[in-house]
Amino acid sequence: AQSVTQPDIHITVSEGASLELRCNYSYGATPYLFWYVQSPGQGLQLLLKYFSGDTLVQGIKGFEAEFKRSQSSFNLRKPSVHWSDAAEYFCAVKKRGSAGNMLTFGGGTRLMVKP
Amino acid sequence: GAGVSQSPSNKVTEKGKDVELRCDPISGHTALYWYRQSLGQGLEFLIYFQGNSAPDKSGLPSDRFSAERTGGSVSTLTIQRTQQEDSAVYLCASSETSGGSNEQFFGPGTRLTVL
Repeated sequence: AQSVTQPDIHITVSEGASLELRCNYSYGATPYLFWYVQSPGQGLQLLLKYFSGDTLVQGIKGFEAEFKRSQSSFNLRKPSVHWSDAAEYFCAVKKRGSAGNMLTFGGGTRLMVKP
Repeated sequence: GAGVSQSPSNKVTEKGKDVELRCDPISGHTALYWYRQSLGQGLEFLIYFQGNSAPDKSGLPSDRFSAERTGGSVSTLTIQRTQQEDSAVYLCASSETSGGSNEQFFGPGTRLTVL
């Protein structure tokens, strides 16, 4: 079965520290890959996406992610975390080649930032 | 321009009652998706509309759930005879088309509580 795994349910980092959130997927072929962020009481906001080409993609708010085909991973990174980054982060995939396919989400990683 | 809007933002109902949740997509977006976010199940796809085509209902958890989209714009998700396990945040998303690379824009969600 196709799936998306975010191994870390909670992560706590100090403000100014670097961050890496893990995402692994299990699909027959490389899907479209996304990272979304959800702040309390808010909807989901797209941080970045990977379709093809350069495997290191830049997103908003200083985030980047690297696609590694050999590891079926799409980890999200940020060099220096800000207190406002505290939120829940979701990795999502979408099957290529067919119209209308829905997003399949990982379970999410809740990020807490210590002052 | 305006994003995806949903109403109501919160809904409390009694077990067995019917509820209607509304989604106004971004103007001009032809694809519309409903997802459910619950503690036990994470983020799950429910139903998808593309233009005037028949909706993809493959994610609806039971026949108590239905949705319609009038005039290719506003959508209503109806849950009949609500159960406590229906308590969740219901998220609506829209995209320009259903093509695989198109970004889905999410609304703030409707939090449904079934007592």
